[in-house]
Amino acid sequence: NAGVMQNPRHLVRRRGQEARLRCSPMKGHSHVYWYRQLPEEGLKFMVYLQKENIIDESGMPKERFSAEFPKEGPSILRIQQVVRGDSAAYFCASSPAGFRAGSPLHFGNGTRLTVT
Amino acid sequence: DAKTTQPTSMDCAEGRAANLPCNHSTISGNEYVYWYRQIHSQGPQYIIHGLKNNETNEMASLIITEDRKSSTLILPHATLRDTAVYYCIVRVMNRDDKIIFGKGTRLHILP
Repeated sequence: NAGVMQNPRHLVRRRGQEARLRCSPMKGHSHVYWYRQLPEEGLKFMVYLQKENIIDESGMPKERFSAEFPKEGPSILRIQQVVRGDSAAYFCASSPAGFRAGSPLHFGNGTRLTVT
Repeated sequence: DAKTTQPTSMDCAEGRAANLPCNHSTISGNEYVYWYRQIHSQGPQYIIHGLKNNETNEMASLIITEDRKSSTLILPHATLRDTAVYYCIVRVMNRDDKIIFGKGTRLHILP
């Protein structure tokens, strides 16, 4: 049973380019969460999605960042016009039910974004 | 969600039991205690959770005091691969409140 798959594992972008991070949840999981970890800092919640719906995006920066989880295919975290401060590890997690049910989150190994 | 307090770092000798404390003195009756860990360069990994009874699984044991104001995660025979940051989180069920990670305890297993 494959775990949460994130790709690419490493992504390098120049300032002003777009970054697309993909997350395939575990089989049977319809809830996806994105967290960001800046260098030497803790994990910060960004967004919680259930198939085709954004449930909580309170941790998403107001501009340049967007997330989706379509009916078919992986969840995508999109960062437009990247800046150096976006350099971080982005982790995706999934669960069979949402935060409400208390299901443990299963995390992928992250995408490390470097903005040059 | 209630706040938790954990030591910043701890050392433990390989092969010994690692006991990681967590203080959650303001925990309410419907809040669970969760433990995750993050090994360097990897995503966080769920370890265990409980409400008031002690819990054990293949990874660890969770001991919650009777008043529920504190808990201890026990790794019975620590190995070098257990070196990680360990996060204690308390959260209520039946609400869509996000899981918030604090600073955790950096556990060093010494050979």
